[in-house]
This record gives sequence, structure tokens and C-alpha cells, in this order.
Amino acid sequence: SQELEQSPQSLIVQEGKNLTINCTSSKTLYGLYWYKQKYGEGLIFLMMLQKGGEEKSHEKITAKLDEKKQQSSLHITASQPSHAGIYLCGARGTYKYIFGTGTRLKVLA
Amino acid sequence: EAGVAQSPRYKIIEKRQSVAFWCNPISGHATLYWYQQILGQGPKLLIQFQNNGVVDDSQLPKDRFSAERLKGVDSTLKIQPAKLEDSAVYLCASRLPGQIREEQYFGPGTRLTVT
Repeated sequence: SQELEQSPQSLIVQEGKNLTINCTSSKTLYGLYWYKQKYGEGLIFLMMLQKGGEEKSHEKITAKLDEKKQQSSLHITASQPSHAGIYLCGARGTYKYIFGTGTRLKVLA
Repeated sequence: EAGVAQSPRYKIIEKRQSVAFWCNPISGHATLYWYQQILGQGPKLLIQFQNNGVVDDSQLPKDRFSAERLKGVDSTLKIQPAKLEDSAVYLCASRLPGQIREEQYFGPGTRLTVT
């Protein structure tokens, strides 16, 4: 079955620093989603990538999907305390949606 | 537009007791999902409904978990009897079928603690 691995598991950065979160799939991805989750809350959709080499940006967050469609990265530029939370990658597997284990991000002011 | 509503937000029960969670999806969303998210893990799909029919319940522990979606709108998820390992956040999500983006809209979740 398809699995999604995220790295790092947790990250602490100083405000203003850049950071990258990775998501690796055991199989080719046919739709990769990035979500953000704050503690005790539901998931908020950030971006979806479908094509190899695709890149999307929203405010200071950029997500990329590699050409082989097995790895995605989420990059945050000039991090702010509001970026803190858990970042999850998700994908539509053969029959169901699957999620990575998440990356917990803490931004120090 | 109102989001996905869930209740209760928090529940504490003892093992072997029963518990039920309620979800009201976004109006018009025919597809509804229940996920279980154990602390430190990503959400795991328990059951997917299309209107009031079950599309996928392969990961639902059917000996103790049950779910229904009467009239294709609200849904309830029940656990009977609960075990310690059922402690988790239960997330409900909904989406319009056929959306190209297939974006799911999530509710705030119900945090269950089994003691």
C-alpha cells in the first residue's frame, strides 16, 4: 500500500528564517495536497499539486512536486509565528486518501 | 458559507463505555469522510460516504465502530465499547464530488479521551 513519509518530524526556527518540509511517497503521486493543522483544530487546505515539476505559491509558502512525482517539498520564506502548526501532506491513493505523519513547526519570536 | 460542524468538541469516557460523534457537512457536499487521528500521526480514513451510501469502510473496526449517514446529510460515528487505544481526534470532512481539486473541507474534530 502507498505510504507518505514526512521529514523532519518537528522543526523549531527563529522568526524570519526560511525552512523546508519534505514529503516522500513510496509510489507515484497523482495528486499531492498540503494541509496545515493547528492544535485542536481541523485541517486547512493549502495547495494541491498534480503535474511533475509543478510549483505553486501562496503568500510566503511555496510547494513543489518533483518530475518523478514521488517527492514534494513545502518551503516557507521569512517564517512568522503565524506559520506555527502541523503541516501534513496528503495524497489520493488507489482507493482512499492517505496522509503523512505531519511536521510540527514552531516559530520563535 | 458555513463550514463542517462537529460535536462534541471534547469527550472523556471510561473504557467499555459507548460514545457518539456528530457531523454536519457543508451544504450540498455529497461526499463525507470520518478520519481517526492518533496523537503524533496523520489522519487515517475510517469511512467514506457518498450521499447515504458507504464507499469505503475497509479501515473501520466494525466490531466496535459504526457509522451512518441518514438522508445523505448529517452523519454519526459510534464506538461501542470504547478501548484505551481509541483515544484520538475524530475528524469529519466533506467535499463536492467531481471537483477537479478534490479538496476536502475539515471540521474542527472531536477529541476523545478514553480512561
